[in-house]
Amino acid sequence: NAGVTQTPKFQVLKTGQSMTLQCAQDMNHEYMSWYRQDPGMGLRLIHYSVGAGITDQGEVPNGYNVSRSTTEDFPLRLLSAAPSQTSVYFCASSYSVNRPNTEAFFGQGTRLTVV
Amino acid sequence: GDSVTQMEGPVTLSEEAFLTINCTYTATGYPSLFWYVQYPGEGLQLLLKATKADDKGSNKGFEATYRKETTSFHLEKGSVQVSDSAVYFCALVTLEGSQGNLIFGKGTKLSVKP
Repeated sequence: NAGVTQTPKFQVLKTGQSMTLQCAQDMNHEYMSWYRQDPGMGLRLIHYSVGAGITDQGEVPNGYNVSRSTTEDFPLRLLSAAPSQTSVYFCASSYSVNRPNTEAFFGQGTRLTVV
Repeated sequence: GDSVTQMEGPVTLSEEAFLTINCTYTATGYPSLFWYVQYPGEGLQLLLKATKADDKGSNKGFEATYRKETTSFHLEKGSVQVSDSAVYFCALVTLEGSQGNLIFGKGTKLSVKP
């Protein structure tokens, strides 16, 4: 089982560049989400999706876009990278947002540096 | 809004020492509570969970009890090993306040020395 796969693992961007972080899951999960992890801040929710075609904002959505055209994929787009977006990004999935006691599965993370 | 507060780290222990990492929460409704662990260079993985008051979650020698009266979910292990060195995150989910999303504490880094 692949689980949740994120690509790339590492990325360096220049300020103002755009890029897409990829996330795919093979568990047929309805719910997918993106978090960023910063020192001393824990994990903060950027965007989430409760199913194909449905997305919503989390705690820190500014500067990021998402779409969910299929159940499997949930890409995160940085429109114009800024140094404040230097972080480690994690994608997660779980069975359903309406089953809150179920386990969330995380990808291995993307370490992004914006210079 | 919903929130999780856990003890700040880092925590450094000798092998076979007793571990406690404190976690308290504020939530709308009745949360499910989780501990996730992040080993160096990896993503998070579920360590244990509890879904109602007085439930005890346990896994790999770790335990945590859902205490509604004190809004707490402290993580304990009787004898830690070097392989337990990791970052530990307390988290909650509610359908009301967090709308089904995981809300995390800031994490506690544990280092276990031989």
